[in-house]
Amino acid sequence: GAVVSQHPSRVICKSGTSVKIECRSLDFQATTMFWYRQFPKQSLMLMATSNEGSKATYEQGVEKDKFLINHASLTLSTLTVTSAHPEDSSFYICSARDLLISGTGHGNTIYFGEGSWLTVV
Amino acid sequence: DAKTTQPTSMDCAEGRAANLPCNHSTISGNEYVYWYRQIHSQGPQYIIHGLKNNETNEMASLIITEDRKSSTLILPHATLRDTAVYYCIVRVRSGGSNYKLTFGKGTLLTVNP
Repeated sequence: GAVVSQHPSRVICKSGTSVKIECRSLDFQATTMFWYRQFPKQSLMLMATSNEGSKATYEQGVEKDKFLINHASLTLSTLTVTSAHPEDSSFYICSARDLLISGTGHGNTIYFGEGSWLTVV
Repeated sequence: DAKTTQPTSMDCAEGRAANLPCNHSTISGNEYVYWYRQIHSQGPQYIIHGLKNNETNEMASLIITEDRKSSTLILPHATLRDTAVYYCIVRVRSGGSNYKLTFGKGTLLTVNP
């Protein structure tokens, strides 16, 4: 399958600072990328949908001024957690939609990155 | 609004087939069923997806009932490395040609030696 890479895989930052997480589609172009957050023992929660060249669409309850998303190219989307607080500590996962038609002939497949662990101290 | 129902957990013996059920009784005619799995502390791994026909790939088979209200993911010969949380997801249109995947709680499959 297609490869989606995230960087960094783990990051520790101090309260009040900002941290940026990168998501890259390595072998395909993705006009749409998605950002999720996952707390321990919980399922993935969709935060926002990122479209190349346009503003991201945020899910209800997600602060767009706190979680800045930039999708400047067809292979890169970034999530910046601004003014981080300990409660922002979580597993952040991105995914990207492969535009190529899959073997089923209709659906587009969404591939996920390895995730990034953020710890705010 | 995950639109799917899965058992919380299942056990399977190593080498045997693992059959993971999923109910999606409110699925619409043009909505796909996707299966992903997540091994602890990793990103979800794509397994398979389908619309109405049964599908098979190198990882698994997907059996969708004729009324499309339920499906079963089959891992033909489960190994210990297949222990993971398996998510059955109905792909939802989020506007225009955009889609998004909303995760439910999934099924924790434990493969025992």
